[in-house]
Amino acid sequence: GAVVSQHPSWVICKSGTSVKIECRSLDFQATTMFWYRQFPKQSLMLMATSNEGSKATYEQGVEKDKFLINHASLTLSTLTVTSAHPEDSSFYICSARVAGGSTDTQYFGPGTRLTVL
Amino acid sequence: GENVEQHPSTLSVQEGDSAVIKCTYSDSASNYFPWYKQELGKRPQLIIDIRSNVGEKKDQRIAVTLNKTAKHFSLHITETQPEDSAVYFCAASPGGGGNKLTFGTGTQLKVEL
Repeated sequence: GAVVSQHPSWVICKSGTSVKIECRSLDFQATTMFWYRQFPKQSLMLMATSNEGSKATYEQGVEKDKFLINHASLTLSTLTVTSAHPEDSSFYICSARVAGGSTDTQYFGPGTRLTVL
Repeated sequence: GENVEQHPSTLSVQEGDSAVIKCTYSDSASNYFPWYKQELGKRPQLIIDIRSNVGEKKDQRIAVTLNKTAKHFSLHITETQPEDSAVYFCAASPGGGGNKLTFGTGTQLKVEL
């Protein structure tokens, strides 16, 4: 149980285009999902907290107009990287917390490798 | 905000030996401390976690200890095997609701034959 999927697993795009990444909880409902970015050989850096039915909470230094987050249902959150540039190339990982449970456990998706040319 | 420091950044052990990774945190409100294992290009996998109401937790070859007073916690892996080779991340969270995890910088563990 507690499986999180992401799509796509990798994407290559041209500079200036927008890319949408989906994060789905497959066998549980998630009122809260988190989006992280991980550069090579570095730690996971939280970008934003996504709450179902409300606006996302962005971490300091993360541009909300560039990284659009939508959490329209209890099983789906999307991250759209708008006007992507080479410096946005990274590994984007989402995680989800089980709704209604007392656990703090976050389950991670497999990640999306974004390469911007 | 929370700050989590992790040491060492790399650790090389012989198969069968023990490995210890240490983390310190800054926010006394943190009460949930998970450890994740991440293989290259893959998702972080939760391997063990501990809450602040206990001082130690063990799961087969893996154990975690927590010292709330000193604000540090450690991961212990005994009888290491080559498949334990990966990057390990500690994290801390105030817990509850949607409270976020703050990750350590990671430890690259290499288990040599």
